[in-house]
Amino acid sequence: IAGITQAPTSQILAAGRRMTLRCTQDMRHNAMYWYRQDLGLGLRLIHYSNTAGTTGKGEVPDGYSVSRANTDDFPLTLASAVPSQTSVYFCASSQGQADGYTFGSGTRLTVV
Amino acid sequence: GQNIDQPTEMTATEGAIVQINCTYQTSGFNGLFWYQQHAGEAPTFLSYNVLDGLEEKGRFSSFLSRSKGYSYLLLKELQMKDSASYLCAVKDSNYQLIWGAGTKLIIKP
Repeated sequence: IAGITQAPTSQILAAGRRMTLRCTQDMRHNAMYWYRQDLGLGLRLIHYSNTAGTTGKGEVPDGYSVSRANTDDFPLTLASAVPSQTSVYFCASSQGQADGYTFGSGTRLTVV
Repeated sequence: GQNIDQPTEMTATEGAIVQINCTYQTSGFNGLFWYQQHAGEAPTFLSYNVLDGLEEKGRFSSFLSRSKGYSYLLLKELQMKDSASYLCAVKDSNYQLIWGAGTKLIIKP
């Protein structure tokens, strides 16, 4: 089934630890995105990639990094987790600029 | 700054009609999207408007007025499964999606 796979589904992480959230799509979409969703704030863009080999910063990039070595994979790394990074993280992709986004099922991250 | 406003929560009765409004102020406009998000799940695409007017898709319709910076999502013949959050999002001049905080729709029998 075509779509986006995120892993892990959920994670409890000690503050200060490094963590990589994985995102893989099999739709050959050019653009990929990482969002965090917090209650009452809606979806906020962390980082994005318009095509393989390029990345850009979104609205809330601090404390996060991404890479886009190929079309399919777009991992998000927290270098040193802090409690304020507790959130639900969604990866999304789109084919073109006028297209909607397809979302992964999300990763629920708790930093303690 | 860029801003999208929609009501936080709405309540409606099964079988009825509900209209969820969205107003936006963005730097440029390249389309407006509505997404549905059930609790604990990912958002799923509902509709896309880039020109003024009404787009109908089954029980759901979406309206856009670019001059007013306004859209609404109309849900007819409400079913219990329509209980969800509805997210309004606008693509700005850089083709980045700006998201509203979502409207939680509660359907009562």
